[in-house]
Amino acid sequence: EAGVTQFPSHSVIEKGQTVTLRCDPISGHDNLYWYRRVMGKEIKFLLHFVKESKQDESGMPNNRFLAERTGGTYSTLKVQPAELEDSGVYFCASSQGGSTQPQHFGDGTRLSIL
Amino acid sequence: DQQVKQNSPSLSVQEGRISILNCDYTNSMFDYFLWYKKYPAEGPTFLISISSIKDKNEDGRFTVFLNKSAKHLSLHIVPSQPGDSAVYFCAARVRTGNTPLVFGKGTRLSVIA
Repeated sequence: EAGVTQFPSHSVIEKGQTVTLRCDPISGHDNLYWYRRVMGKEIKFLLHFVKESKQDESGMPNNRFLAERTGGTYSTLKVQPAELEDSGVYFCASSQGGSTQPQHFGDGTRLSIL
Repeated sequence: DQQVKQNSPSLSVQEGRISILNCDYTNSMFDYFLWYKKYPAEGPTFLISISSIKDKNEDGRFTVFLNKSAKHLSLHIVPSQPGDSAVYFCAARVRTGNTPLVFGKGTRLSVIA
């Protein structure tokens, strides 16, 4: 079974540019989560999809961040325009339905804003 | 305000001995707890979990203990192996509604041969 895959693994862009991160969850997982880890700090929740619907987006920092999950399969997270404080590692995780199903993480996208 | 705290940023243990990683939480609504292990440049990997109706869960060399009254959990690894060297994250959630995980800052475990 393929795990959660994220693309790109690393992105370096200049402040003010746009970047789109992609996440392919494990096949059949309805729940998809985005998290972010800023250097040395804890991994923090951004938002949660159930299939194509946003269940919880309380962790999104501001309206420069836009997440989509068209068709309930892969998801994209767009940052536009990028700011210096957006640098960090963005993780995607997926899980099956059921309250005790663990979330499985991808290897993350390291985003560096110059 | 951190709801999940891992107060030890690092821990060194000799190979073959027991590793004990600690985690405290403040939100009494949390009823499901997980430990993840993370190697550099990889995502967190699920290790073991425990529900609030239990006080212990064991899986091979890994055991998680939960003390609800103290709002404390710990991960025991015995015997520790060099391959266990990684960052360990404690995470908690409220089960209802598939709520997101709340993570601690992690503890870097070094197992010395």
